[in-house]
Amino acid sequence: AQSVTQLGSHVSVSEGALVLLRCNYSSSVPPYLFWYVQYPNQGLQLLLKYTSAATLVKGINGFEAEFKKSETSFHLTKPSAHMSDAAEYFCAVSDPGGTSYGKLTFGQGTILTVHP
Amino acid sequence: GAGVSQSPSNKVTEKGKDVELRCDPISGHTALYWYRQSLGQGLEFLIYFQGNSAPDKSGLPSDRFSAERTGGSVSTLTIQRTQQEDSAVYLCASSPTAFSGNTIYFGEGSWLTVV
Repeated sequence: AQSVTQLGSHVSVSEGALVLLRCNYSSSVPPYLFWYVQYPNQGLQLLLKYTSAATLVKGINGFEAEFKKSETSFHLTKPSAHMSDAAEYFCAVSDPGGTSYGKLTFGQGTILTVHP
Repeated sequence: GAGVSQSPSNKVTEKGKDVELRCDPISGHTALYWYRQSLGQGLEFLIYFQGNSAPDKSGLPSDRFSAERTGGSVSTLTIQRTQQEDSAVYLCASSPTAFSGNTIYFGEGSWLTVV
């Protein structure tokens, strides 16, 4: 079975500071990995995904993540936080095998707060 | 439509009543998923459709929950005899196919409150 652990349910940064949101996964096979963002009262929007191509993945809004197999991690970073980045972020994993149907298993989420 | 559309956006119902939640996926998307988002439980998978069939219903929490999809498009999630623990946001999502690397697109959810 796959699982995802997001370290830190809440992260607070100052505007302009580095954003680092941590995600570790557990999977018997190299998985596909995703980061989604959820703004208040909205659905989830894909930020970026890793599907076994380049290990450093660039996404929307200046975010990027690096797949590190040795550390079973897929941490999300952004060099300089904006106020508009305040939201909840979810890391998710799916099994590349055909029997998973693309189903996502999500972490518990990290709420990012950005201070002026 | 341009995105995944869900209705109603908000629903307050009395305990014991039945509710129906509707999802209209992105046109042409064959894969459709239902998830539930609640405090303390996070995002939980409920059911997956490929076309009109549901190969994976493993996440449905009880036999009070059912779902169907017709015409390979619109899906309805039905909760019978609602309980307070059913209060949550029900998210529908769709994808072009069930390939695991595809992007899954989410709707804005149906907020269900059982009183």
